[in-house]
Order: sequence, then C-alpha cells, then structure tokens
Amino acid sequence: DAMVIQNPRYQVTQFGKPVTLSCSQTLNHNVMYWYQQKSSQAPKLLFHYYDKDFNNEADTPDNFQSRRPNTSFCFLDIRSPGLGDAAMYLCATSRRQGFDTEAFFGQGTRLTVV
Amino acid sequence: DAKTTQPPSMDCAEGRAANLPCNHSTISGNEYVYWYRQIHSQGPQYIIHGLKNNETNEMASLIITEDRKSSTLILPHATLRDTAVYYCIVRAGGSNYKLTFGKGTLLTVNP
Repeated sequence: DAMVIQNPRYQVTQFGKPVTLSCSQTLNHNVMYWYQQKSSQAPKLLFHYYDKDFNNEADTPDNFQSRRPNTSFCFLDIRSPGLGDAAMYLCATSRRQGFDTEAFFGQGTRLTVV
Repeated sequence: DAKTTQPPSMDCAEGRAANLPCNHSTISGNEYVYWYRQIHSQGPQYIIHGLKNNETNEMASLIITEDRKSSTLILPHATLRDTAVYYCIVRAGGSNYKLTFGKGTLLTVNP
C-alpha cells in the first residue's frame, strides 16, 4: 500500500492561475519535504516541515508556499505559475530521530503550465 | 553538507554485478551515506545506508572505505529493471536532516 500519496499525478494549470498540489502520508512521520524536479535534473529541495515548524530553502521563490494542517497532510501552493515552474513535484517524509532515518517519496505530481 | 561526486553514467550487462562509486571526501564523523535510485518518472526509492561498516540488504550492498571518503553501491545481479539514476547522498545529522540530491549516476543495464 502506498505510504506517501500525491494527488493528482498529473496537473495542468494555466499561466498565472494558482494551483495546489497535495500530499498525504500514513507513516506518521514528523518531517515532510517538497522537492521540485525539472527534466533531466536532480530533485531540488524547496522546503520542509518538522512537525509544524516550516523551513524554507534560501533560493525557493516566494511564488511557492506550503501548508501543513496536520501530521498527515501537506500542500504545495504555487501562487502564480509561470512556464518555468513546469516540473515534477515530489513529496517525501521521514522521521527525525537521530541520524538513522530514511525518506519515503511519493510518486510525484507532474505539473504542466499552459 | 558534504558533497558527493559520482560518474554521470555507467553501463552494466544484465546478470552481472553493477558497482557504482561515490566520492565524499569531506564527510564528517556523524554523517551517514545514503543511496537512492529513481526509475524514470517515479519518485526516488531508498536503497541502503551506512555509517562506516559495510551493509547489505535484499536490494544491494554498500561498501564504505575505512577513511569514509568513498563508497561503492553493489547490485549483485543487475536486471533490466535496475536501469535508473542512482543518487549517493551524505546526510547531515543533528538538527539538519535534509536530504540534498547531487546529479547521480544513470545506470543502464543492457540485455
């Protein structure tokens, strides 16, 4: 059974129209991550939550926001998508206990901006 | 975070062992080495991790040199389904538990 679920798998949005991607987990992990992966590139961390503590990467554009209403759910909001925001968006979770934790990834949402 | 260096691509014949190298010369004492792979259009998948001892699980073996400056991921009997990008990641400990991906190695398993 999938442990990190991303919906939808494919999302098409219009240029400038706000879009929200969702992620849910059944692992009860306290850390959740959002990554952006453009074609032929490695995943790039946008931000992560440790419980409700939000941690933004320094180079994440202001256009990207996130919400985590509870342990199980996390949302990625793109306020005004541009053509350059077309990418695969990956959600991941992990425990934060010591150094010995693995991250579990969802299957991603592929965002197309038209 | 310590940086890693991996070859951009490698080939392997089906049924043979695939040995994927990774250099992490600036690794610090409390950092683990993690390996993930990403099959095309899927999310990354955890493979294995280690601190200083060699590790083995049902997917792979991880060999870490004594000075911890490099490691090798070994897939003992590669199959076509092992074709993927393999990422070697050194993960900071303590309050910094971020997982930062480098460029990885594209392993192509050929029939």
